Amino acid sequence: AQKVTQAQTEISVVEKEDVTLDCVYETRDTTYYLFWYKQPPSGELVFLIRRNSFDEQNEISGRYSWNFQKSTSSFNFTITASQVVDSAVYFCALSGGSSNTGKLIFGQGTTLQVKP
Amino acid sequence: DAEITQSPRHKITETGRQVTLACHQTWNHNNMFWYRQDLGHGLRLIHYSYGVQDTNKGEVSDGYSVSRSNTEDLPLTLESAASSQTSVYFCASSRDLNYGYTFGSGTRLTVV
Repeated sequence: AQKVTQAQTEISVVEKEDVTLDCVYETRDTTYYLFWYKQPPSGELVFLIRRNSFDEQNEISGRYSWNFQKSTSSFNFTITASQVVDSAVYFCALSGGSSNTGKLIFGQGTTLQVKP
Repeated sequence: DAEITQSPRHKITETGRQVTLACHQTWNHNNMFWYRQDLGHGLRLIHYSYGVQDTNKGEVSDGYSVSRSNTEDLPLTLESAASSQTSVYFCASSRDLNYGYTFGSGTRLTVV
């Protein structure tokens, strides 16, 4: 069975600090996809990144970066120089596998609070 | 611009009533999904559809049903609302399997 674990329930940082959100996944499949979504206080779910299992290159997008390590089944998300607008719930998700149903399996989410 | 809309945004209903939540997308996506979001559980899949006349059960489908009569709509029906179904419901659609979802804005349902 597939599973996603976000062990950090809540994180609080002061603006301009760097913060890393952890994501550990479980799957027996060799082909799979990993995602991060952001849910700001307004409630909508915003897509941040998609990564397939064959691409272990880290990715950087502005202040955001993602570290994908198959050896530890982790797909961690780092925000550099955090800002108050980064305050949100962040979800890591997994899909794919031999059944390839397109269903996303979500972690429980990490609530990030960035204080001014 | 293409979009995915959910209605209503908020609803309060009584226990035992039938409730239907609407989801409409103009992306022309074949794949549509319904999730519920609860504290401590993240998002859990209720039902999903790969196209017209196709529906499938997710991990928490008891007490819910969907129908897909056209590409654009996937309404979610609570047959007999229960307090345990108080939640935020999200509809999503996707272009291809494993491509990722575009989510609607959510419906907050309270069953009293």
